[in-house]
Amino acid sequence: GQNIDQPTEMTATEGAIVQINCTYQTSGFNGLFWYQQHAGEAPTFLSYNVLDGLEEKGRFSSFLSRSKGYSYLLLKELQMKDSASYLCAVTPSGDSNYQLIWGAGTKLIIKP
Amino acid sequence: KAGVTQTPRYLIKTRGQQVTLSCSPISGHRSVSWYQQTPGQGLQFLFEYFSETQRNKGNFPGRFSGRQFSNSRSEMNVSTLELGDSALYLCASSQVGLIETQYFGPGTRLLVL
Repeated sequence: GQNIDQPTEMTATEGAIVQINCTYQTSGFNGLFWYQQHAGEAPTFLSYNVLDGLEEKGRFSSFLSRSKGYSYLLLKELQMKDSASYLCAVTPSGDSNYQLIWGAGTKLIIKP
Repeated sequence: KAGVTQTPRYLIKTRGQQVTLSCSPISGHRSVSWYQQTPGQGLQFLFEYFSETQRNKGNFPGRFSGRQFSNSRSEMNVSTLELGDSALYLCASSQVGLIETQYFGPGTRLLVL
């Protein structure tokens, strides 16, 4: 089967660093996406990983280990506007490669 | 470049009615995917279209259907609405290629009474 796991909710303090984990079991793997979704809004693209390692984009970084079926999103210097849900999605290979497999999302709460 | 647009943004219907939602993708994007999102739930995949063909379908009943036109615009239809169909319906477009990043529209919020 296809499965993606993320923590349901996390809390962090403004100015701190937080790591949101994502583990996946899918039929093949072509890449992993991270999206941010503010309450009541549409998801917006953050990052894409296909090779092992860390991809850095400003305050946000995303890491992938294909052998472990594991990724994380690292948010530094947290700001109140980072309060949102963070969605992990995988592109499997084979016949289902037109369909992203989505995790349920991690709701991140930032406290002052 | 204009983003993905969806109409209408909000809709109130009663049980048993049907509804049609529209999605216009980013110019040049030929793939359109539809999702249902309910509070506390992840994105539930409905279907994906490319070149007017449905390439993949999620696990939704036949009451949910869609189509894509030659200009890549897409519509989805829900017939015989049920209370449980109340949700945010999101459309996402992507370019076909090695990395098919999906870009989402603002969604249509459907309330079934």
